Amino acid sequence: LAKTTQPISMDSYEGQEVNITCSHNNIATNDYITWYQQFPSQGPRFIIQGYKTKVTNEVASLFIPADRKSSTLSLPRVSLSDTAVYYCLVTSGYSTLTFGKGTMLLVSP
Amino acid sequence: ETGVTQTPRHLVMGMTNKKSLKCEQHLGHNAMYWYKQSAKKPLELMFVYSLEERVENNSVPSRFSPECPNSSHLFLHLHTLQPEDSALYLCASSQNLGGTSSGEQYFGPGTRLTVT
Repeated sequence: LAKTTQPISMDSYEGQEVNITCSHNNIATNDYITWYQQFPSQGPRFIIQGYKTKVTNEVASLFIPADRKSSTLSLPRVSLSDTAVYYCLVTSGYSTLTFGKGTMLLVSP
Repeated sequence: ETGVTQTPRHLVMGMTNKKSLKCEQHLGHNAMYWYKQSAKKPLELMFVYSLEERVENNSVPSRFSPECPNSSHLFLHLHTLQPEDSALYLCASSQNLGGTSSGEQYFGPGTRLTVT
């Protein structure tokens, strides 16, 4: 299973765009990239999943370069309620999720 | 509201007690999971069920015993726990096991367990 590396923490201000980059150098051909959000004492929430290029939904965008060795979660115009831990995961065909420590995003006024 | 409910939300139990955690999903999913999240640690996968059959057991001590009577319900039976088992226990479900489905899991709110 491909290991992921992402920053431990990030700071931002309300209204800014936040980009969280994750590296996954040994990602396999069949692997997908998935991002989750978790608030304290709650279960993680699925944000977005992609294989290559760009995926966008109502919450975020996911950018994956051609070599797929990294990915970037983009959160447009963050608000205070976006303060949370964000997890980058690589999932394969038969897959169970392996969560790392994630990135703690702190959004300030 | 994710469509996955867990009861109780909080539980305090002694080391000699027996208790059960319940999870129910209202999403029509075929795969269900138990996770453990200890303070300042990543989530740890404990058990995986697909179509009511256990397909993964990640070296979990026998004092944790899962049960999946149907695809909508999942239980975690607890007995003779240790204080280090205090954690947030999370249940999740996905449409199927495998492919992109496993990557998109829906988590319940968790049960905060304290073992005294």
